[in-house]
Amino acid sequence: AQKVTQAQTEISVVEKEDVTLDCVYETRDTTYYLFWYKQPPSGELVFLIRRNSFDEQNEISGRYSWNFQKSTSSFNFTITASQVVDSAVYFCALSDGGFQKLVFGTGTRLLVSP
Amino acid sequence: SAVISQKPSRDICQRGTSLTIQCQVDSQVTMMFWYRQQPGQSLTLIATANQGSEATYESGFVIDKFPISRPNLTFSTLTVSNMSPEDSSIYLCSAGGASNTDTQYFGPGTRLTVL
Repeated sequence: AQKVTQAQTEISVVEKEDVTLDCVYETRDTTYYLFWYKQPPSGELVFLIRRNSFDEQNEISGRYSWNFQKSTSSFNFTITASQVVDSAVYFCALSDGGFQKLVFGTGTRLLVSP
Repeated sequence: SAVISQKPSRDICQRGTSLTIQCQVDSQVTMMFWYRQQPGQSLTLIATANQGSEATYESGFVIDKFPISRPNLTFSTLTVSNMSPEDSSIYLCSAGGASNTDTQYFGPGTRLTVL
């Protein structure tokens, strides 16, 4: 069975600090996809990134970066120089190779204070 | 990317009634999904809405409680039947393309409160 673990329930940082959100996954599939979504207080789910199991290259998008390591089954997300607008719940999710339905982690609430 | 809208955005309902939530996508998609997010919790898949066939339900969810329609490739509805306060949640619709390389995008959600 697939499983996603986000051990950090809540993280509080001060603006401009760097913060890393952890995600560990379990799957027996050789082909799978990993996702990160942001859920601001308004409630909508905002897509941030998708990674497939064959691409272990790290990715950087502005202040966001992702570190995918198959050896440790982890897909961690780092925000550099955090801002108040980054305050949200962040979900890591996993889909198998066939049907795109997502298994979500429990989410990490990030609070960035000025 | 796909743009997804949901109606209503929120509602307050009485115990024992039913509510139908609509999900509209701005392009044709193969896969549509309905998720539930209970207060302070993560998202749980209710069912996959299949065009031209019955929805596929996840363990713990049944058609009598959550009937789903998918009349075409851009539209789906979820009905929450015979509601109780435990059904108070955010219900989110999502959509994905024909290929597994497509990203799954989400609608803005419907906040349901059952009194």
